[in-house]
Amino acid sequence: GDSVTQMEGPVTLSEEAFLTINCTYTATGYPSLFWYVQYPGEGLQLLLKATKADDKGSNKGFEATYRKETTSFHLEKGSVQVSDSAVYFCALRVWNAGNMLTFGGGTRLMVKP
Amino acid sequence: KAGVTQTPRYLIKTRGQQVTLSCSPISGHRSVSWYQQTPGQGLQFLFEYFSETQRNKGNFPGRFSGRQFSNSRSEMNVSTLELGDSALYLCASSQGDNQPQHFGDGTRLSIL
Repeated sequence: GDSVTQMEGPVTLSEEAFLTINCTYTATGYPSLFWYVQYPGEGLQLLLKATKADDKGSNKGFEATYRKETTSFHLEKGSVQVSDSAVYFCALRVWNAGNMLTFGGGTRLMVKP
Repeated sequence: KAGVTQTPRYLIKTRGQQVTLSCSPISGHRSVSWYQQTPGQGLQFLFEYFSETQRNKGNFPGRFSGRQFSNSRSEMNVSTLELGDSALYLCASSQGDNQPQHFGDGTRLSIL
């Protein structure tokens, strides 16, 4: 079946540090890839997405590149802020198989001033 | 444009009871999906409805059921509640296939 593996947290960084959260996947069909963010007490917000190999998704300074050869979609940000503290989920959805998302276990990011 | 609305936000039940959760999708969205979020199992897909038809179903027992109405609003029902059903239940809607999904803030269900 489909699965997503992401690095376990928590990840603790100082403000302005570089962030990488690793994500790898296995998929039965051709996947679209997503990063979602969850703030305390809230649902999930779509952070960025990529729908085909070598696509780069970007939003709010975050980036991730769809790497088919390594089945990876690592999340990066050059300079984190305290407001980036949240839980980040990598997810996939197989093309033309409905809207079911398969999620990784989530990575909690804590940014200290 | 209003987002995905889930009601109620919080719910406390006891074992053996049943519960119904509601989700109102973004206007114009025909697909509604439900997910269960727990600390131990993470985010797990429950089911998806599209134009009133269940299209996909996750690996949950038959105690978990849902439906979608003609206005795309959806409900999920859990019967004979167990302690392990305590979770955050999230609803997501999208316009159609291969479109972005938008999540509500969830219903936090606690079983005593």
